[in-house]
Amino acid sequence: QVQLVESGGGVVQPGRSLRLSCAASGFTFSSHAMDWVRQAPGKGLECVALLSYDGKDKYYANSVKGRFTISRDNSKNTVYLQMDSLTAEDTAVYYCARQGLSSLTPYMDVWGEGTTVTVSS
Amino acid sequence: QSVLTQPPSVSAAPGQKVTISCSGTSSNIGNNYISWYQQVPGTAPKLLIYDNDKRPSGIPDRFSGSKSGTSATLGITGLQTGDEADYYCGTWDSSLSEGVFGGGTKLTVL
Repeated sequence: QVQLVESGGGVVQPGRSLRLSCAASGFTFSSHAMDWVRQAPGKGLECVALLSYDGKDKYYANSVKGRFTISRDNSKNTVYLQMDSLTAEDTAVYYCARQGLSSLTPYMDVWGEGTTVTVSS
Repeated sequence: QSVLTQPPSVSAAPGQKVTISCSGTSSNIGNNYISWYQQVPGTAPKLLIYDNDKRPSGIPDRFSGSKSGTSATLGITGLQTGDEADYYCGTWDSSLSEGVFGGGTKLTVL
């Protein structure tokens, strides 16, 4: 079945780096754009990064621009989120999401279960 | 402060109908399609509506979506206790070049 499984979360000190991974299965990964969406404790959803199906087009939220990098390896059916210069404000559950194919406006039709990132000294 | 504006909470009795609004601007809702997501606390979001009014397979027709100008609405009929969740609207903002969400609306089925 269609599935996204995130990994790489954990506790990290401010200023340090962390790389999240999202392994996809059950669909043609290379046909879909992929997203990372985060949710801080008790807060709403924030679209952090979007990546086109071929990895050429990338979009970032202003809050992470210059610090986070989204990438993908279509041979491994995996999308990554490299997070540098982490601050306490980056503490959140990070969800990997697949973009649907049926629209010109991005929407997320499959979501992973999320991985928790805690930035704390 | 979210780019899209939703009411913090709505409530209704089982069997009744409820609507959740989502307000934006010409940079987002006004010129792009809207999607809606349901999130039961402690779980991942789930797509309910895309392209303003389309339902993915498996989503019952009790859920409906509409859009007019720079606002959108999610409707839920025949409310069930299992519908208690947080609901988010989302779209693309052409000025920000970012995906944007509303702040979420907590639905309570009394």
